[in-house]
Amino acid sequence: DQQVKQNSPSLSVQEGRISILNCDYTNSMFDYFLWYKKYPAEGPTFLISISSIKDKNEDGRFTVFLNKSAKHLSLHIVPSQPGDSAVYFCAATRGGADGLTFGKGTHLIIQP
Amino acid sequence: ETGVTQSPTHLIKTRGQQVTLRCSSQSGHNTVSWYQQALGQGPQFIFQYYREEENGRGNFPPRFSGLQFPNYSSELNVNALELDDSALYLCASSPGTSYEQYFGPGTRLTVT
Repeated sequence: DQQVKQNSPSLSVQEGRISILNCDYTNSMFDYFLWYKKYPAEGPTFLISISSIKDKNEDGRFTVFLNKSAKHLSLHIVPSQPGDSAVYFCAATRGGADGLTFGKGTHLIIQP
Repeated sequence: ETGVTQSPTHLIKTRGQQVTLRCSSQSGHNTVSWYQQALGQGPQFIFQYYREEENGRGNFPPRFSGLQFPNYSSELNVNALELDDSALYLCASSPGTSYEQYFGPGTRLTVT
């Protein structure tokens, strides 16, 4: 029973264009959402997060949108750069000592 | 500021053996969580330690146990290793009750 789903295993985007990564969740008790980026042979790196009381959070080239009614969030990267090529994980938590629940990841490939 | 470190980097064990993995949290972080990442999957929450006590646990059997020390470093112990325990084990630390967790590079465990 996957509570966090990333339905696109991979995504290819041209350098300079916008990358949009999607994530769906089923547990309405989740109240904080995070995106991580992972390079091979490294641990996940925290990118950006959003609380359930907000619908948008921006940090430089990265923006996360949350649609609570649809139980859907997305990460927008603009403009996309070659260094953005990595696996991106969506994660969610109820907080406290619940830990993070991760999706299976989307492999983003930025084409020159 | 030192990030999260883990040792060893790689480990090969035989089925039925026991293993101990180690983690040093990021400076100022007093909460440590452990995750298991199987090939092609997202990280799965094993448990969390805060003030030397386990205060949250995912869906893992009791043969997965841990410790946290006064300096906030942590150990993950796995007894009676099974082939399915082969995975990347990730440690993450966070300050207090912050939702955002910061990951180490992981320990790759292979069980033969």
